[in-house]
Amino acid sequence: GAVVSQHPSRVICKSGTSVKIECRSLDFQATTMFWYRQFPKQSLMLMATSNEGSKATYEQGVEKDKFLINHASLTLSTLTVTSAHPEDSSFYICSPLKDTEAFFGQGTRLTVV
Amino acid sequence: QKEVEQDPGPLSVPEGAIVSLNCTYSNSAFQYFMWYRQYSRKGPELLMYTYSSGNKEDGRFTAQVDKSSKYISLFIRDSQPSDSATYLCAMSLYNFNKFYFGSGTKLNVKP
Repeated sequence: GAVVSQHPSRVICKSGTSVKIECRSLDFQATTMFWYRQFPKQSLMLMATSNEGSKATYEQGVEKDKFLINHASLTLSTLTVTSAHPEDSSFYICSPLKDTEAFFGQGTRLTVV
Repeated sequence: QKEVEQDPGPLSVPEGAIVSLNCTYSNSAFQYFMWYRQYSRKGPELLMYTYSSGNKEDGRFTAQVDKSSKYISLFIRDSQPSDSATYLCAMSLYNFNKFYFGSGTKLNVKP
């Protein structure tokens, strides 16, 4: 297996503020990181894919200026939700790729009030 | 048509039953197939990982891939209440630049 640490697990923020979510692969190096969003009772929706040292590739319909992704090292990637609005409330999950297997963080429940 | 189809359930079975979970897919280029288990408000956990057609067994879990029918299955033997979760199938092309997920099947194993 692999150990992935994502935090915070839960965050409540005011509308208009920014929130940073961190994802660390603790026992392996991940050249590729996937970020997903999951709505209640729905599957994972890929938001973007990032490779260490290069700009993230965003899926169609995902605002790159709103969801800033930084993959600064092989063990750390961050997702920043800027100027958050209530409609951004969701469950965000990181998924580092270890060789050919995708592992997942514990997820972050974001609530924007 | 979605690339991966999965019955959302819910599926309710008594403890000890054999559970069969299935997914179909449309892209014949998929080469890697995975099953994940997701508990409520947690990230998915990798259960099984297979490549090519055939069976793979790990404890109470058996993953089956039939590429000719574009159909994959996960069997759980002697199901336990702790198996109650949502099960997601996933698949990937040879380059792993994207993973395609089913919508998930919610399983409830009753004591």
